[in-house]
Amino acid sequence: SQTIHQWPATLVQPVGSPLSLECTVEGTSNPNLYWYRQAAGRGLQLLFYSVGIGQISSEVPQNLSASRPQDRQFILSSKKLLLSDSGFYLCAWAGTSDSGELFFGEGSRLTVL
Amino acid sequence: GQNIDQPTEMTATEGAIVQINCTYQTSGFNGLFWYQQHAGEAPTFLSYNVLDGLEEKGRFSSFLSRSKGYSYLLLKELQMKDSASYLCAVKDSNYQLIWGAGTKLIIKP
Repeated sequence: SQTIHQWPATLVQPVGSPLSLECTVEGTSNPNLYWYRQAAGRGLQLLFYSVGIGQISSEVPQNLSASRPQDRQFILSSKKLLLSDSGFYLCAWAGTSDSGELFFGEGSRLTVL
Repeated sequence: GQNIDQPTEMTATEGAIVQINCTYQTSGFNGLFWYQQHAGEAPTFLSYNVLDGLEEKGRFSSFLSRSKGYSYLLLKELQMKDSASYLCAVKDSNYQLIWGAGTKLIIKP
């Protein structure tokens, strides 16, 4: 069966520090992968999606970046965090059924101070 | 612009029935999803509607009317563990998901 994991689960970072969130999928090949951010009281905001190794589409211009160095690995990064980067970050992959529903990782709670 | 509207919060009693509504205005339509999200956790998939009508799955049912841009999630025989946020999302003409802000459902004994 397919599984998705992301880490770390929680982190507190000072403004201006770097960020790296990692996500891996197991049990499937060439998945479509997504990074979302969820702010309190708002819908999920798509940050990046990837349809293959090295293929990244950015939905929101900001100080975040994403990379896909391997088929089942998706990384979210920042060189310098802003206060506004605080939120709940979710990695997801699209299932292979007709509906293509998303399966999410456990989530990463980022607090920037 | 694209918009998904759902109530911010609802309260219901254990054992009762609750209906959570979702209205949408999107550029095209390729399906509507409902997800459940417990506090501090990731969303989990509940249901998918692409054709008009009712889809039943155990205690949960989801209804879609494409002409009205409307869906609802019906939860029967409510249990305390159903306390969560329920997210409505629509797949638009580009097959991108547009998400509502979610409805926080509070179940009281």
